[in-house]
Amino acid sequence: AQSVTQPDIHITVSEGASLELRCNYSYGATPYLFWYVQSPGQGLQLLLKYFSGDTLVQGIKGFEAEFKRSQSSFNLRKPSVHWSDAAEYFCAVSITGGGNKLTFGTGTQLKVEL
Amino acid sequence: GAVVSQHPSWVICKSGTSVKIECRSLDFQATTMFWYRQFPKQSLMLMATSNEGSKATYEQGVEKDKFLINHASLTLSTLTVTSAHPEDSSFYICSARDSGRNQPQHFGDGTRLSIL
Repeated sequence: AQSVTQPDIHITVSEGASLELRCNYSYGATPYLFWYVQSPGQGLQLLLKYFSGDTLVQGIKGFEAEFKRSQSSFNLRKPSVHWSDAAEYFCAVSITGGGNKLTFGTGTQLKVEL
Repeated sequence: GAVVSQHPSWVICKSGTSVKIECRSLDFQATTMFWYRQFPKQSLMLMATSNEGSKATYEQGVEKDKFLINHASLTLSTLTVTSAHPEDSSFYICSARDSGRNQPQHFGDGTRLSIL
């Protein structure tokens, strides 16, 4: 079965600093990859997705992610963090033939220092 | 586009009560909807997959008689927590997926369920 690892439970960055959130997956083939963001007490918002093609994916709110097959990674990046980016970030994967079910990582809590 | 509405956002009720949660896709037709449960400071756990016009598929360990799912139309799925008890208190989130290849899941804002 596929699995998703987000090694960092908490990350704190200063406003204006760059950000990288790590995500590694375990699956025999290339899965579909997603990053979602969750604000407290709310549902999840899709930031970006990768299905195929260009390995650098642009998303909303200035986020991007790069798929690296050799490292089984799909790290999320933002060049300059804003205080409003403070939230929980989830990496997720789904596999072909898996009924479109998502497997989520454990999440990374981002705090932004002003 | 791709808005999913979930209602109610918060419900508090007595033990033994049944609670219904609605999940609607507002601007697209969702052939598949998913129900998740999220405990505090934890990730989402898939409870069941709901396909329009057919029985839901439950994940291992989820009691189908406890968590009744109905997906009667392409825009509405409901989750009913029957005879709720305090251990059922949690954050429940639905998602909906449009038909076609490579469509992501879009999530509702969740329902905070508190059983007294």
